[in-house]
Amino acid sequence: NAGVTQTPKFRVLKTGQSMTLLCAQDMNHEYMYWYRQDPGMGLRLIHYSVGEGTTAKGEVPDGYNVSRLKKQNFLLGLESAAPSQTSVYFCASSYRVGQGKDTQYFGPGTRLTVL
Amino acid sequence: QKEVEQDPGPLSVPEGAIVSLNCTYSNSAFQYFMWYRQYSRKGPELLMYTYSSGNKEDGRFTAQVDKSSKYISLFIRDSQPSDSATYLCAMSATNYGGSQGNLIFGKGTKLSVKP
Repeated sequence: NAGVTQTPKFRVLKTGQSMTLLCAQDMNHEYMYWYRQDPGMGLRLIHYSVGEGTTAKGEVPDGYNVSRLKKQNFLLGLESAAPSQTSVYFCASSYRVGQGKDTQYFGPGTRLTVL
Repeated sequence: QKEVEQDPGPLSVPEGAIVSLNCTYSNSAFQYFMWYRQYSRKGPELLMYTYSSGNKEDGRFTAQVDKSSKYISLFIRDSQPSDSATYLCAMSATNYGGSQGNLIFGKGTKLSVKP
């Protein structure tokens, strides 16, 4: 099993450009998450999904959109990139919440720089 | 007060030392407590998972939870240079409303074990 994979690993954008980050998991997890990690800020939840076709906002959703058309994939979109979105983006997945089933498994991350 | 507080370090110890990493939290609903290890330029990986109060041991690692004090700890015995990483605590509540039942992460403590 590959676990959680993310594409691409690195990307440099100019302000105003758009891009989509792809996350894929092969563990048949219901829940998927997108985080950003910045120095001194820890992991902050951007958006999450509790199942195919559903998405919800996390702590820092502004400037991002997501889609979960297939259970195994979770896409994160930046419509008009800004320098403040320079960060490392992590995708994670879990079976579900609570009852000891909420261990999240993380992908390797995407390093995004917006100039 | 933030929900989860974690000293960011950095913490530097000699090889073989006992390391103590800690987090405090404010939400008494938290029931599940985790420690993630994150190597440089990698995604977090689950290290320890405990439910409610008590201790859990796995090799050189021991996780302790004191719910009465809202305090969790991770001890590393006989620390090795390969333990050099950032350690993030994370926690969640039971049946977290079925909605945003997500993990709340500390900001991480950077540990360096010197040979």
